[in-house]
Amino acid sequence: NAGVTQTPKFRILKIGQSMTLQCTQDMNHNYMYWYRQDPGMGLKLIYYSVGAGITDKGEVPNGYNVSRSTTEDFPLRLELAAPSQTSVYFCASSYSSRGEAFFGQGTRLTVV
Amino acid sequence: AQTVTQSQPEMSVQEAETVTLSCTYDTSESNYYLFWYKQPPSRQMILVIRQEAYKQQNATENRFSVNFQKAAKSFSLKISDSQLGDTAMYFCALEQGAQKLVFGQGTRLTINP
Repeated sequence: NAGVTQTPKFRILKIGQSMTLQCTQDMNHNYMYWYRQDPGMGLKLIYYSVGAGITDKGEVPNGYNVSRSTTEDFPLRLELAAPSQTSVYFCASSYSSRGEAFFGQGTRLTVV
Repeated sequence: AQTVTQSQPEMSVQEAETVTLSCTYDTSESNYYLFWYKQPPSRQMILVIRQEAYKQQNATENRFSVNFQKAAKSFSLKISDSQLGDTAMYFCALEQGAQKLVFGQGTRLTINP
């Protein structure tokens, strides 16, 4: 049971570079989420999706983009990376609007 | 706006003791869910326990139980017979529809042998 898989686990970016954080789940969940966790803080919602083809902004969407072309995949795109985007990024999924959220193991991103 | 506040940045207890972590929240919704998540050094987010707001009975999961006070908007976590493996960051979270979660800042719990 793979659950929610995120790649890469670690990444260092230079200011102005772009990258895509990959997230895939094998539980056939409709709901998927991206959160970021800054040092010593709780998680904050970046974007979420309630199904293929549907995405919406969370609390901190600036500087990010997402797409949801399939049920399984929910990639997060960083354009023009900035030091403020240094964080740990978590992808999560849920089978319903009231179900338990399952989290990936996170991606630690450093922008220098 | 919905908010979650954890007022204890750090706590430390001896193994086998009981410890209570505090959480208060604010929401205008009448029906919602509350969660406690554990984050060990491995970084994995692990669901500990959840509470549905319309249920008056407090949730329990083995050594973990909650004290849910809806009128006071309080949701504390009690860990009984604490174990070394309970050492972790603990986050209180409020669901704001479609399983979107608002997290508190966390409490770092250390269980000492």
